[in-house]
Amino acid sequence: DAGVIQSPRHEVTEMGQEVTLRCKPISGHNSLFWYRQTMMRGLELLIYFNNNVPIDDSGMPEDRFSAKMPNASFSTLKIQPSEPRDSAVYFCASSRTGLAEETQYFGPGTRLLVL
Amino acid sequence: GNSVTQMEGPVTLSEEAFLTINCTYTATGYPSLFWYVQYPGEGLQLLLKATKADDKGSNKGFEATYRKETTSFHLEKGSVQVSDSAVYFCALGGINDYKLSFGAGTTVTVRA
Repeated sequence: DAGVIQSPRHEVTEMGQEVTLRCKPISGHNSLFWYRQTMMRGLELLIYFNNNVPIDDSGMPEDRFSAKMPNASFSTLKIQPSEPRDSAVYFCASSRTGLAEETQYFGPGTRLLVL
Repeated sequence: GNSVTQMEGPVTLSEEAFLTINCTYTATGYPSLFWYVQYPGEGLQLLLKATKADDKGSNKGFEATYRKETTSFHLEKGSVQVSDSAVYFCALGGINDYKLSFGAGTTVTVRA
């Protein structure tokens, strides 16, 4: 199994630019999670999709952040416009059904630096 | 609400030393408990888990026992290796929920 695939692995951009992060979950998993990891705040859940539908986006910091899941094998997290405080590692994770008792499989992450 | 408190790091050990990372939780009912590990430059991966009281999860020489009476899930390894250097996260999954509550993470460095 290929595991969760994320791209790009690294992104350096300037303040004000649009950033798009991509994720391909494990085939057969119907739940997808986007997390952000920073030294100050640790690991934060941004948004949770189940069967391609956003179930909980309460962790999305503000309107500059948006996420989509047009089909079962692809999701994007977009930041527009980006700001230096968005610099973090963004992880995508998937699980079979979304129940918290199940294992979540994490991708390698996208390391974002906004200058 | 659900929450996890884990031992703060960093922790530095010599090879073959004994490792313990404490984790306690607050939750209603009987949550599932996890230890995830993050190696440098990688995403988190499941190390072990337990889904009910008194269950012991084990993997790669690591063990943790779900103790409901002390609301704890401490991680232990009897003899660490340099390759165990990583950040370890304790996590809790509530019943009929989708969210995982993660601890702050404990950085472990093992020296040869």
